[in-house]
Order: sequence, then structure tokens, then C-alpha cells
Amino acid sequence: DAGITQSPRHKVTETGTPVTLRCHQTENHRYMYWYRQDPGHGLRLIHYSYGVKDTDKGEVSDGYSVSRSKTEDFLLTLESATSSQTSVYFCAISESGTSGNQPQHFGDGTRLSIL
Amino acid sequence: GNSVTQMEGPVTLSEEAFLTINCTYTATGYPSLFWYVQYPGEGLQLLLKATKADDKGSNKGFEATYRKETTSFHLEKGSVQVSDSAVYFCALNQAGTALIFGKGTTLSVSS
Repeated sequence: DAGITQSPRHKVTETGTPVTLRCHQTENHRYMYWYRQDPGHGLRLIHYSYGVKDTDKGEVSDGYSVSRSKTEDFLLTLESATSSQTSVYFCAISESGTSGNQPQHFGDGTRLSIL
Repeated sequence: GNSVTQMEGPVTLSEEAFLTINCTYTATGYPSLFWYVQYPGEGLQLLLKATKADDKGSNKGFEATYRKETTSFHLEKGSVQVSDSAVYFCALNQAGTALIFGKGTTLSVSS
């Protein structure tokens, strides 16, 4: 299994509070991704990174920010959490994002509930 | 834009039955196609992939053939087991873009 660790695995917090989710990889892969999974929507890309300090927006980036200061860590921050951000969040990594044929490997997810 | 459409579930089968989960896609050019599987409480795992037309991906008894003429990548297995119960996602990846997923199909297999 790809070495991907997400933390925390579960979190319950209140509306308006800041939340940071962490993704840590031991594979030295260049590309890292944050997705959210919601019933009826499959997985949707929030942000991704193609190198240290290089990030870009995905399909559902509003209300989220990311940072990547080291190859192995990719942080997702909700500056002021809202109930609509209650979801399961997955981190993924891949060796290459531009060749198109490299699969992504996923972490086990973080279940976030915002009350 | 690019998109993936999967048959809606849930799909309910008895053990040893034949499985087909339909997947069609819309994309310009020549995307790579993937099937991922998600077991309860876990992340997605790559099941199989195909990177060009007429390629057949296979793994653990599952197969899917990249059909460019019908823009399809249907997942099949000849004899399902209870342990195959999971959610299955079809996805495409085109150079320079991120993975685009279908909404997932839940498979439930009973003994």
C-alpha cells in the first residue's frame, strides 16, 4: 500500500471555527490532491499540488486553502468551517499528473462533521 | 468538458452471479480510464486501468475494455463473491488534468 497518512481520521467541530487536515506521504511523489466525497456526487477535486509551494484550484475550491511547504506534507484548511463542508475528505498522490496514465493512490480519509 | 457517467446502483447480486457495471465517458482526445473500488470505511484502491483504445485492464477477476467507438469502459466479473461488496468508481484522466470520477455504483453480494 502507498504510504499515505491522513490526520485526524475523525473530527467534529462547530461552524465558524478553523480546521486543518493533514496529508503525509512517504512515497516522494510530486503530485498531491485533496478531494471531498459526498453522497450522489462521487469524489470532487478541491485543490492539488504539483510541487513544493505549487498549488492550483480544483472544481470545488471555494472556502478551502492549501499549503505545501515540504514534499511529504499537504495541508487543507477550512478558514471558517460551514455545515456544507461536512464531508469525507480524501488525500491522494501520484508520481505524475501530466502523463495521464499514472494512477492516484488514496489515503483512508478524514470524516469531518461541522455542527 | 470531460465527464464520466456510471449506472446507478445499488446493484444486488447473489454469489457466483455475473457482474456488469456500465461506464461511459465524454472527453476530447485520448484519456486514460480507471476503475477504483472502495470498501466500507476505507479509501479508494485502484482496481484496473487502460491507457489506450482496445486495451483490456484486469485484476482479481475483474475486467474492463477501453472502447473508443462507444466511449465506454464497462466493468465485468464472471462470478462475484460476498467479499466484492463495495462501491466501484469509474474515472478518467487526461494529460494535464486531474482525475474525473463517476458518482459510484454500490455492489451488494449475498451468499
